[in-house]
Amino acid sequence: ETGVTQSPTHLIKTRGQQVTLRCSSQSGHNTVSWYQQALGQGPQFIFQYYREEENGRGNFPPRFSGLQFPNYSSELNVNALELDDSALYLCASSLDRGHADTQYFGPGTRLTVL
Amino acid sequence: QKEVEQDPGPLSVPEGAIVSLNCTYSNSAFQYFMWYRQYSRKGPELLMYTYSSGNKEDGRFTAQVDKSSKYISLFIRDSQPSDSATYLCATGGPSNTGKLIFGQGTTLQVKP
Repeated sequence: ETGVTQSPTHLIKTRGQQVTLRCSSQSGHNTVSWYQQALGQGPQFIFQYYREEENGRGNFPPRFSGLQFPNYSSELNVNALELDDSALYLCASSLDRGHADTQYFGPGTRLTVL
Repeated sequence: QKEVEQDPGPLSVPEGAIVSLNCTYSNSAFQYFMWYRQYSRKGPELLMYTYSSGNKEDGRFTAQVDKSSKYISLFIRDSQPSDSATYLCATGGPSNTGKLIFGQGTTLQVKP
């Protein structure tokens, strides 16, 4: 059974640029959630995708957007990058949206915005 | 006020000690409670989850939830240097949005 994978591992961008992060969910899981983890803080919920539809969103501006594909993999897109967007971006998959309590995380993508 | 409060530590204990990690939460509607372990530069790893007040044990780990006081705890018995990590409490529910709310995390160091 393959776990949650994310790419790339690290990324450096400059302010104003756009970035796309990718996530492959664990085999058999149809729900993907994205979190932002600033240094020294707990993860903060960005949004969740269930069967290719957004299923809940946290307190993040519209420049954070996402997609989920038919194979349940997902992308997080961030436009007009700001310095405060520097963080570890985590993807978590769960068996179903009704099993949100057992979310399994990937290793994360560390984004640095200069 | 944060929805989940957790003392960031750091907490340093000798090998073999019993470790107690704690969180408080503000919303009585939260229905499920988790503990995650996160090693440096890695993603969080689910350690334990529970739905109800009371204790849940798994090996050296015991999770405790007291819904009346909105207090959750994780106890680690016979702590090992490999337990050195950041421990995150999380809670969520009752909706199906899948939103987990995390504490800040407590950094634990177990010294040999």
